[in-house]
Amino acid sequence: KQEVTQIPAALSVPEGENLVLNCSFTDSAIYNLQWFRQDPGKGLTSLLLIQSSQREQTSGRLNASLDKSSGRSTLYIAASQPGDSATYLCAVVNNNNDMRFGAGTRLTVKP
Amino acid sequence: EAQVTQNPRYLITVTGKKLTVTCSQNMNHEYMSWYRQDPGLGLRQIYYSMNVEVTDKGDVPEGYKVSRKEKRNFPLILESPSPNQTSLYFCASSLSGTLGDTQYFGPGTRLTVL
Repeated sequence: KQEVTQIPAALSVPEGENLVLNCSFTDSAIYNLQWFRQDPGKGLTSLLLIQSSQREQTSGRLNASLDKSSGRSTLYIAASQPGDSATYLCAVVNNNNDMRFGAGTRLTVKP
Repeated sequence: EAQVTQNPRYLITVTGKKLTVTCSQNMNHEYMSWYRQDPGLGLRQIYYSMNVEVTDKGDVPEGYKVSRKEKRNFPLILESPSPNQTSLYFCASSLSGTLGDTQYFGPGTRLTVL
């Protein structure tokens, strides 16, 4: 059974810093991996989706990498801003279309 | 605007009092699902539906029922709620539910069962 772990559970950084969020998964037979953002009182917004054959995806200040063989993904946020404060979730889709979420990392960017 | 809506957004109820949380999508998606989110556990799937009249259990279906009589609606029913069903619930939909289809999430329903 696929297990997805996100460390740390919470992170606080000053504005302007570059930061990395981590996601690990136990079964490397994945179809894709997604990073989501969750704001309080709101649903999940998809940020980046990496197919299993890809190594990374970029969108603006966000860069997600995938190392399937080691069961790891990272979300890199450059030049962080207070508006980046949110909970970031990673989710993997297995080859049987089963989607598993991590518990999330709560990010606070201080002005 | 393409969206998934849920109602109510917040609900406080008592043990044993039947309740329904509605979910509706306006994107003509075939696949819909319900998740619950609990601290430290992430999102766990309760039920999903591949199309009208087709529903299947997810990881944590106990204590829940669903129905899919129309393509756009996928209500979540708690026949006899218990305190361990206090949670944040999300409905999601995707075009076809095929491998890797992007899911769109509703805003969430925060349920408290006293």
